[in-house]
Amino acid sequence: GAVVSQHPSWVICKSGTSVKIECRSLDFQATTMFWYRQFPKQSLMLMATSNEGSKATYEQGVEKDKFLINHASLTLSTLTVTSAHPEDSSFYICMHPRGAQETQYFGPGTRLLVL
Amino acid sequence: AQTVTQSQPEMSVQEAETVTLSCTYDTSENNYYLFWYKQPPSRQMILVIRQEAYKQQNATENRFSVNFQKAAKSFSLKISDSQLGDTAMYFCAFMKPPTSYGKLTFGQGTILTVHP
Repeated sequence: GAVVSQHPSWVICKSGTSVKIECRSLDFQATTMFWYRQFPKQSLMLMATSNEGSKATYEQGVEKDKFLINHASLTLSTLTVTSAHPEDSSFYICMHPRGAQETQYFGPGTRLLVL
Repeated sequence: AQTVTQSQPEMSVQEAETVTLSCTYDTSENNYYLFWYKQPPSRQMILVIRQEAYKQQNATENRFSVNFQKAAKSFSLKISDSQLGDTAMYFCAFMKPPTSYGKLTFGQGTILTVHP
């Protein structure tokens, strides 16, 4: 069964609103969570690394104030897209590594459509 | 920084035939992991196969096998006896433990279509 869940799986919102995406580790304490973004038929691009109890690390070019990441517990990391615009429409996927990092568990993804 | 290149945007194959997907990467590291992931229309990422760079033997998982050429920095995926369910986007990925903390760098992806 799924070990990483994401909620919601689909979201449609109006331009200017904020959207929160939750990523939960169902059976493991995840101190690290990675957030990826994927446009249709393109690759997964790493947005940020979420660390439990500390600030997230953002990749170059990703706006920290636009994509707020919170990792307040060992089982939950959230990504909030603030003041969403149509260009933020994408597929967002979380992932956490286990073991000696060689095993990755991906969430099922969240499709965001901003009108 | 590591880069991963998949030079085949799209591939097609007939059911039951064999297809090879290409992947090259660039790194100065000696110890790392390489992966092939499958992303079907559901978009759930599914691990196909994993290779540890220090292992010379090519990894195999049922119908899936890799040709790992460390000196050439090449990591191709061979799918034998292709099935309709193999239709998906395939990503090659690189990880450098332990400093990357499990972070994957993905190639551009190859869309594979298996025809009946």
